[in-house]
Amino acid sequence: ETGVTQTPRHLVMGMTNKKSLKCEQHLGHNAMYWYKQSAKKPLELMFVYSLEERVENNSVPSRFSPECPNSSHLFLHLHTLQPEDSALYLCASSQDPKFSGQFTDTQYFGPGTRLTVL
Amino acid sequence: RKEVEQDPGPFNVPEGATVAFNCTYSNSASQSFFWYRQDCRKEPKLLMSVYSSGNEDGRFTAQLNRASQYISLLIRDSKLSDSATYLCVVRGNTGFQKLVFGTGTRLLVSP
Repeated sequence: ETGVTQTPRHLVMGMTNKKSLKCEQHLGHNAMYWYKQSAKKPLELMFVYSLEERVENNSVPSRFSPECPNSSHLFLHLHTLQPEDSALYLCASSQDPKFSGQFTDTQYFGPGTRLTVL
Repeated sequence: RKEVEQDPGPFNVPEGATVAFNCTYSNSASQSFFWYRQDCRKEPKLLMSVYSSGNEDGRFTAQLNRASQYISLLIRDSKLSDSATYLCVVRGNTGFQKLVFGTGTRLLVSP
């Protein structure tokens, strides 16, 4: 399935590096999400964008900086990360029910970027 | 208390067995409920929504008990391909009505 794509799929970076994760959705959705999935922990919602406007920021450290230039693309800019930031970063998209008028906003996930911070 | 709680398992069952997973949620105002499936090193995918009246999709049956704040998933006639982690997901009623995920229950179906 290619509804939601993410690049890169794997990333190893040092604590002083700056890198960006990219997500693209081809489903015509208007909401996009970043999640973090660490071992033995539930998915943690990081950011939500609806119609390119950030609508939720779940107390995420400033070393994570999201960008949503349009409804199809979402970026997560990373800088001065810590080893505990190593995790699977998942992007998802859905139709914002506020605009679709229906409560069937199934979220479709991309394959994720497995990030390792050394 | 966690917003969504699940037994992490693993549940080890033979092919053909019936297995049930339970999930509890803490927010009584939660509005929607789902089961997602996540295969090893893959992304979560929606398995089924959970409706108040209960719903069935082939070998899978989901039930919701709002009074007890409890959701269940029943899998009949387990297949090897059912081996995965099953995530209980609840939609809140505040902010963006975000989805809250449980840690998942791991199922291993053996021949």
